[in-house]
Amino acid sequence: GENVEQHPSTLSVQEGDSAVIKCTYSDSASNYFPWYKQELGKRPQLIIDIRSNVGEKKDQRIAVTLNKTAKHFSLHITETQPEDSAVYFCAASGPQAGTALIFGKGTTLSVSS
Amino acid sequence: KAGVTQTPRYLIKTRGQQVTLSCSPISGHRSVSWYQQTPGQGLQFLFEYFSETQRNKGNFPGRFSGRQFSNSRSEMNVSTLELGDSALYLCASSLVQGRDTQYFGPGTRLTVL
Repeated sequence: GENVEQHPSTLSVQEGDSAVIKCTYSDSASNYFPWYKQELGKRPQLIIDIRSNVGEKKDQRIAVTLNKTAKHFSLHITETQPEDSAVYFCAASGPQAGTALIFGKGTTLSVSS
Repeated sequence: KAGVTQTPRYLIKTRGQQVTLSCSPISGHRSVSWYQQTPGQGLQFLFEYFSETQRNKGNFPGRFSGRQFSNSRSEMNVSTLELGDSALYLCASSLVQGRDTQYFGPGTRLTVL
């Protein structure tokens, strides 16, 4: 089955710096890669996703890149702000009906002002 | 539209008891997935239901079961509770299948004493 590795587990940056979180997946058939943000005591919320027919996707300060050959994808946050502090999860899912969404173990991002 | 709701929000049980958790998806969503979230382990996939059928199951013992009703509401049951079952149980709904965007509920915090 699919396995998703996420690094680093913790990341501390200064406000205004960039943050990068990387994930690798094992199943070459996976074609959907969402990223979720979970603030303390709240539910995970989708912040951006990418599908295998796209190499990069941007949404304001957030971008995700996908390298299908190497089976890894990354989340890039530019101009970080204290409100970006949260746990970020990557996930991967395959094309078959009912395929499970498999999550990485999460990255705790701390942005200090 | 109303978001995904879960009841109850908090539960305290003792070892050996059983528990039933409920999830109401977003109106029109037919797929419901369940996840167990514990510190350091991220979100671990339990199972997914679509049109009252279990389409996929994660690597959990048979004490964990679920079902989905014709109105897409879903329940999960854990029998013979163990201390290690203490966790946040999240459900997520999506429009059609698990690989579509999943929207999470607030979770049920289960504590087993």
